[in-house]
Amino acid sequence: GAVVSQHPSWVICKSGTSVKIECRSLDFQATTMFWYRQFPKQSLMLMATSNEGSKATYEQGVEKDKFLINHASLTLSTLTVTSAHPEDSSFYICSARRTFSSGANVLTFGAGSRLTVL
Amino acid sequence: SQKIEQNSEALNIQEGKTATLTCNYTNYSPAYLQWYRQDPGRGPVFLLLIRENEKEKRKERLKVTFDTTLKQSLFHITASQPADSATYLCALSGNTGKLIFGQGTTLQVKP
Repeated sequence: GAVVSQHPSWVICKSGTSVKIECRSLDFQATTMFWYRQFPKQSLMLMATSNEGSKATYEQGVEKDKFLINHASLTLSTLTVTSAHPEDSSFYICSARRTFSSGANVLTFGAGSRLTVL
Repeated sequence: SQKIEQNSEALNIQEGKTATLTCNYTNYSPAYLQWYRQDPGRGPVFLLLIRENEKEKRKERLKVTFDTTLKQSLFHITASQPADSATYLCALSGNTGKLIFGQGTTLQVKP
């Protein structure tokens, strides 16, 4: 159980185009999903918190108009990188939060999406 | 600001030995501390969670300790195997579910 599917797993695009990445929780409902970005040999950097039915909360320094997040249902969140540039090339990973009866929150991650902007 | 430090140098050990990874943090009082495994080009996979009022947690060959006084967690893999080779990430959270990750330590287990 607790599977998160992320698509596409890799994408190459031209500078100036927009790219959409989908994140789906396959066997559970996720009111909250998180989007991370990871550069080679570096830690996961939280970009934004995606809440179903409401606006995403962005971390400091993350441009909300650049990285559009939509969480229209309990099983799907999307990240759109608008007008992508080479510096946006990175590994983007989504995760869905599961809350246990103890109150602990555990994240189930997608497999990640490798974006390369030419 | 909140800071999580993991040994950035790779840890190389011989198969069968116990691997011990360290996670130190400052300017934070987490309710939970978690360990994840990440393989190259993949998303992290949850391994263990320990709460602030717990000292130790075990799961099969894995053991995690949590010292809130020292602000440190140790992650042990006993009887290590080459298949344990990966990057291990420490993550802290409060009660909101928002996790902050360390940079990870790469473990290499040699046969």
